[in-house]
Amino acid sequence: KAGVTQTPRYLIKTRGQQVTLSCSPISGHRSVSWYQQTPGQGLQFLFEYFSETQRNKGNFPGRFSGRQFSNSRSEMNVSTLELGDSALYLCASTLLQGEDGYTFGSGTRLTVV
Amino acid sequence: AQSVTQLDSQVPVFEEAPVELRCNYSSSVSVYLFWYVQYPNQGLQLLLKYLSGSTLVKGINGFEAEFNKSQTSFHLRKPSVHISDTAEYFCAVSDAGNNRKLIWGLGTSLAVNP
Repeated sequence: KAGVTQTPRYLIKTRGQQVTLSCSPISGHRSVSWYQQTPGQGLQFLFEYFSETQRNKGNFPGRFSGRQFSNSRSEMNVSTLELGDSALYLCASTLLQGEDGYTFGSGTRLTVV
Repeated sequence: AQSVTQLDSQVPVFEEAPVELRCNYSSSVSVYLFWYVQYPNQGLQLLLKYLSGSTLVKGINGFEAEFNKSQTSFHLRKPSVHISDTAEYFCAVSDAGNNRKLIWGLGTSLAVNP
């Protein structure tokens, strides 16, 4: 079966712009989580969506938002981009509550200049 | 609050040598434990998990880990590493109850040298 698909793979934006990242989970998976990965901070949890509802949220400012559609596809949006938002953004899906582990996409590498 | 500590940020090792990557966690409740591997420019891949039962868990690529409740540890081991095992390894823990949010360690970079 197809894995978790994230688009685009690479993105370059300028400060102040906004960006939307997309994630298509494994078919049948209802939970989608988003992470920010940077060399200094490791994996930072952004939020998790389950059946179109945000189930968990990390400690990120309101500039970071997300949503999930009825087909479980998810998007995250970052508004008013800052240089510090440059990172690898990873999406992960799981069937229900993560007992089987999460399947990760390859990520979107965002560079803010 | 839960936390995960990976005790070594970098582990260099020679090919065919054994390796242990250490992970300790803090939690006051029952937990699920995971190890993931990340190869360069890729997402994370599940290596193995502990949910319940036997404390020795076997995963993919010849890796195994042992859950030690008294020491709150979940160390990852492989008896003989290959060059292809060079990657970043992450330990993660989640509450076994209703809040399954994963808490991650900062990762251990394993470098296997010929």
